[in-house]
Amino acid sequence: DTEVTQTPKHLVMGMTNKKSLKCEQHMGHRAMYWYKQKAKKPPELMFVYSYEKLSINESVPSRFSPECPNSSLLNLHLHALQPEDSALYLCASSRRPDGNTGELFFGEGSRLTVL
Amino acid sequence: AQKVTQAQTEISVVEKEDVTLDCVYETRDTTYYLFWYKQPPSGELVFLIRRNSFDEQNEISGRYSWNFQKSTSSFNFTITASQVVDSAVYFCALRVAGNQFYFGTGTSLTVIP
Repeated sequence: DTEVTQTPKHLVMGMTNKKSLKCEQHMGHRAMYWYKQKAKKPPELMFVYSYEKLSINESVPSRFSPECPNSSLLNLHLHALQPEDSALYLCASSRRPDGNTGELFFGEGSRLTVL
Repeated sequence: AQKVTQAQTEISVVEKEDVTLDCVYETRDTTYYLFWYKQPPSGELVFLIRRNSFDEQNEISGRYSWNFQKSTSSFNFTITASQVVDSAVYFCALRVAGNQFYFGTGTSLTVIP
C-alpha cells in the first residue's frame, strides 16, 4: 500500500465547477509534488512544495491552484477547467527536496474527467 | 540539458521469457541519480531502484536486475522469467540538482500467459 494518499480517486466535473484534489503523506517528507499525466505519456511536473515554499511550473494555467496547509498535506484547487485538463493527477513526496538522492513516492492518483 | 530516452514503446513477451528494457540518458552534470518506476494499470508509480552516478555496480533484486554503464550513458533493466504481474508501463528517470525529475516516455510491457 502506498503511503501517499490521494482523494478522490475519480472525479468528474463540469467546466464551471470548483473542486479540489487532496494529497496526504505521513512519512515526514519535506517535499511534495503535483504531476499531471496524460494517457501513454510520462508525468509532467506542475508544482513543488519544499521547505514551505511553493515552486510553480510556469506553463501551468492559473485554473490550477495549489495549497499546502501543512507539511503533510497538499491540495490542488480546480476552477473553470477545460476538457483537455482531463488526466491522471499524481501526488508525490520525497524525503529531502534539494539537490539530493530522494526518490519520489507516488500516490495512486486522481483520475479527472472534465465534461 | 537533461534527457531520458526509452526507445522501446511497447514490448510483448511470453511468460517466463527474459526481457530487457533500455534507458539512455543525457546530462552534463557529474552528479546525478537514475531511477526506474513501474506503473501498473491502477495508476500508481511504484519506485523500483535508485542509482547514483558514482556507483556503477549492477544490482539484482529477485527477478529484477539493473545494468548501469556510464560509458554508454545507459541504465537498462532486465526482468528474468517474466510473469503476467510484470505487465505495466516502466519509466526510467533522471534527477540532477534540484527538484526536477526527467522521465523517459515509458515502455509498455505486456507479458502473455
